[in-house]
Amino acid sequence: DAGVTQTPRHEVAEKGQTIILKCEPVSGHNDLFWYRQTKIQGLELLSYFRSKSLMEDGGAFKDRFKAEMLNSSFSTLKIQPTEPKDSAVYLCASSWDWGYYAEQFFGPGTRLTVL
Amino acid sequence: GDSVTQTEGLVTVTEGLPVKLNCTYQTTYLTIAFFWYVQYLNEAPQVLLKSSTDNKRTEHQGFHATLHKSSSSFHLQKSSAQLSDSALYYCALSHSNTNKVVFGTGTRLQVLP
Repeated sequence: DAGVTQTPRHEVAEKGQTIILKCEPVSGHNDLFWYRQTKIQGLELLSYFRSKSLMEDGGAFKDRFKAEMLNSSFSTLKIQPTEPKDSAVYLCASSWDWGYYAEQFFGPGTRLTVL
Repeated sequence: GDSVTQTEGLVTVTEGLPVKLNCTYQTTYLTIAFFWYVQYLNEAPQVLLKSSTDNKRTEHQGFHATLHKSSSSFHLQKSSAQLSDSALYYCALSHSNTNKVVFGTGTRLQVLP
């Protein structure tokens, strides 16, 4: 079975640009999560979808971050406009909707550098 | 709201010695689950252990953890650390009302020869 795939693996953007990160969850998973990973903050939740419906949009990340699920097997995270402080690894994860005991499966991440 | 605390940012241990990574939590929910995720260098995080049963030891790959609701803890332990255990470890909490997981800030384990 294919795991979670993310593209691109690396992205370099100029300040003010718009970038789109892509994620394909594990086939059959109904829950999809976007996280930002930094050394200081660890894993921060950006968005959470269940069966393509947005359940949570990450509060502080709402203004420039927008995640969408175009279908059950594809999601995007748009950052517009980018700022140097957005430099981080962006992780996508998916899980079955078994409830609170379901583990999340992570993709390899996209390393974003904003100059 | 829910929170997970990992007090050590870096734990260094000599190969062959025991290691313990601390994890405590705060939540108002009674039905909860805990996870330890491990992230090796340049890899994705993956689940190492999970548990939802109070006072029951869970083991995997030589690591073990026991959920203690009385002390709000889910510490990760191993009796003999290996060089290959060097990685970033996250403790995480979820509860019965959501599939969302609250992660701690992570502990980097460095095992030295």
